[in-house]
Amino acid sequence: NAGVTQTPKFRILKIGQSMTLQCAQDMNHNYMYWYRQDPGMGLKLIYYSVGAGITDKGEVPNGYNVSRSTTEDFPLRLELAAPSQTSVYFCASSPSPGRSGYTFGSGTRLTVV
Amino acid sequence: AQSVTQLGSHVSVSEGALVLLRCNYSSSVPPYLFWYVQYPNQGLQLLLKYTSAATLVKGINGFEAEFKKSETSFHLTKPSAHMSDAAEYFCAVSDQGGSEKLVFGKGMKLTVNP
Repeated sequence: NAGVTQTPKFRILKIGQSMTLQCAQDMNHNYMYWYRQDPGMGLKLIYYSVGAGITDKGEVPNGYNVSRSTTEDFPLRLELAAPSQTSVYFCASSPSPGRSGYTFGSGTRLTVV
Repeated sequence: AQSVTQLGSHVSVSEGALVLLRCNYSSSVPPYLFWYVQYPNQGLQLLLKYTSAATLVKGINGFEAEFKKSETSFHLTKPSAHMSDAAEYFCAVSDQGGSEKLVFGKGMKLTVNP
């Protein structure tokens, strides 16, 4: 009953470094999402996927990349980290977003210094 | 296209008082509606959802919400606030036509005073 697992939970990056935020789900959900949450700003969609091999941009994709080679995994890649990418990142999955909503992971808190 | 409005960003109530968190939606098609709760330093978890079966929806921890089509609202209520209800609450909408994603409101932080 793992649900949506995100790693790492915390990370500090230096400006210009790169990293991958991992997201895995064990519920066989086709839909997966990456959001960032900044204080008072709600959730902003970065990228999403409707199935293995299919990804699409959300509201704020610049500076990020994703891939979806399997149903289970949806990693988020940050290239050339910038202070503006300091945020809390949430991954979510769903079998049917309209009817079921999302299951969220516990988040990754990223600080870029 | 759908949208959700949660007016204000912060609500403060006393322990034992009524909790009322407002959510208004805009949708050109029949909506599905959701409330999520986020406790400090945690992810979001589903509190309750409306998927057209019943207009009054009961969720976890004593919360409920009523879908009112005429008012395009889905307000969240709890008769008596508990200290453990302190959290941020998000309303979200999708459409019944197979939308690929939810649209979230900006969230409402609930503070419960002793």
